[in-house]
Amino acid sequence: SAVISQKPSRDICQRGTSLTIQCQVDSQVTMMFWYRQQPGQSLTLIATANQGSEATYESGFVIDKFPISRPNLTFSTLTVSNMSPEDSSIYLCSVVERYGLGEKLFFGSGTQLSVL
Amino acid sequence: AQSVTQLGSHVSVSEGALVLLRCNYSSSVPPYLFWYVQYPNQGLQLLLKYTTGATLVKGINGFEAEFKKSETSFHLTKPSAHMSDAAEYFCAVSDRSTPLVFGKGTRLSVIA
Repeated sequence: SAVISQKPSRDICQRGTSLTIQCQVDSQVTMMFWYRQQPGQSLTLIATANQGSEATYESGFVIDKFPISRPNLTFSTLTVSNMSPEDSSIYLCSVVERYGLGEKLFFGSGTQLSVL
Repeated sequence: AQSVTQLGSHVSVSEGALVLLRCNYSSSVPPYLFWYVQYPNQGLQLLLKYTTGATLVKGINGFEAEFKKSETSFHLTKPSAHMSDAAEYFCAVSDRSTPLVFGKGTRLSVIA
C-alpha cells in the first residue's frame, strides 16, 4: 500500500501570506487529489493533480488561489495563496494506487491551517 | 485517538439484493461520521453524514446509514443493489476539529 508523507502537519499563518503543502508518495501513483475539510465538515475536492499538465479544478476553486504542481508521479504541492481566515481548514492529499485490475485510495495525514 | 474498522474489504451482492457495508468506529468524543464512495478514476463523493440529531441518515442514490452509539457502528445499507453501485466505499470519523480518519475501504461488486 502507498505511504503518503504530507507536510506541514499544521501551520498558523498571517492574512495575505501563502502556504505550500507538500505531498510525497513512496510509489508512483496515477492520480492525486487535494481536498479541503472545514471544521466538522466533510471533504470537498479542490482539484485533481495531473502529472505533466495543469490540475483540474472543481467548481468554486481556481488556479490563482490554489496553484498545484505535480512534477512527477510521486510528488505534488498545493499552495493556498493570499490567505484569509476563511481559508482556515484541513487540507488533505489523496492518491489512487492501481494494483492488478483494481485500485485503492490512500490519504495523507492532513495539514491543519489556521489563518489569523 | 479515533479509528475506523470496515469489516470486509470486498462485498459481492446480486443486483436487487440488500447492500450492507459495515463500519465500526472508536472515538473518545461524540463523533461525526461519514460515508464516501469512490468510482474508478474519480475522487471521493460524499454519500451521507451524521453529525447530530436523527440517528438514521439518508443519503444520495438510495443509501442510508444508522448511527448506533451502543454498538459504535455506522453501517451503510441500500435495499436494492444496482449495477451502478459497484464502487469503493469508505467510512470516516471526525471529532470536529481533526482530519477525517478513514477506514480501509470496502469494494462493492454487483452481480447481474
